[in-house]
Amino acid sequence: GAGVSQSPSNKVTEKGKDVELRCDPISGHTALYWYRQSLGQGLEFLIYFQGNSAPDKSGLPSDRFSAERTGGSVSTLTIQRTQQEDSAVYLCASSLGSGTVYSGNTIYFGEGSWLTVV
Amino acid sequence: SQKIEQNSEALNIQEGKTATLTCNYTNYSPAYLQWYRQDPGRGPVFLLLIRENEKEKRKERLKVTFDTTLKQSLFHITASQPADSATYLCALGGDTGRRALTFGSGTRLQVQP
Repeated sequence: GAGVSQSPSNKVTEKGKDVELRCDPISGHTALYWYRQSLGQGLEFLIYFQGNSAPDKSGLPSDRFSAERTGGSVSTLTIQRTQQEDSAVYLCASSLGSGTVYSGNTIYFGEGSWLTVV
Repeated sequence: SQKIEQNSEALNIQEGKTATLTCNYTNYSPAYLQWYRQDPGRGPVFLLLIRENEKEKRKERLKVTFDTTLKQSLFHITASQPADSATYLCALGGDTGRRALTFGSGTRLQVQP
C-alpha cells in the first residue's frame, strides 16, 4: 500500500487477555518502529527493527511486551496479560533506514491501533 | 536525566500572526532534530528536519532554527491559518547509542479565525 497500515484500528480487551497488533510498513522500507502514545502524552519508543540486525528492544516496558518482524516486512506487537495501564495508541512507523538512523531518514507513521483495556 | 521539553500549554494565536513553538532538550547530543504535526486521532506527519550543523531551515511558511549551544529548536509558522491548528512534536535523532527518534510531548496550537 501507499502508507503504513495498522490493524486493528480499535481494540477493546479485558484485563488479562493477550492482544496482537499488526503493522504493514511501506514497501521497501527496511526500518520499522513501534511507539506508544498515552492520552495527551508524547510518543514513547518501544522497539526498532532494521533489516536483519538484532532489534533494539530497549523501550519495551515489561516482558509482557514482545514484537517480531517476519520476512523483513510485516510486524506484530504482542501484549500478554494486558493491564489497564497498557491502554494507549500504539503507533507503527517505517523508514528507508539506509545506513543508520543518523542519516535522518524521514519516518512515516500509521494511524495507530487504539487499545483499551477494561 | 535526559529530557525533551515542549510547552505543554496550548498556544492560541490569531490568524495571520506568526506562531513560535519551542523545543528544549537536556543531556542529549542529537545529530538532527525533526518536527512533526499530529492531528487528533491521527499519526504524526513529518514536516522538517534540521541537522546539527544547520542553523535554520525553511519550507514554505515554516521555519526551524537549531541552536546546539542553547540546546533549543524554535519552530515558526508565519501567516498562520486555522488549518494550522494541531499538535506539533519535536523529535531528536542520531544521539550516540540511540537508534530511534526520541519525541517530546508536543505543543497544541490553536489558530483563531
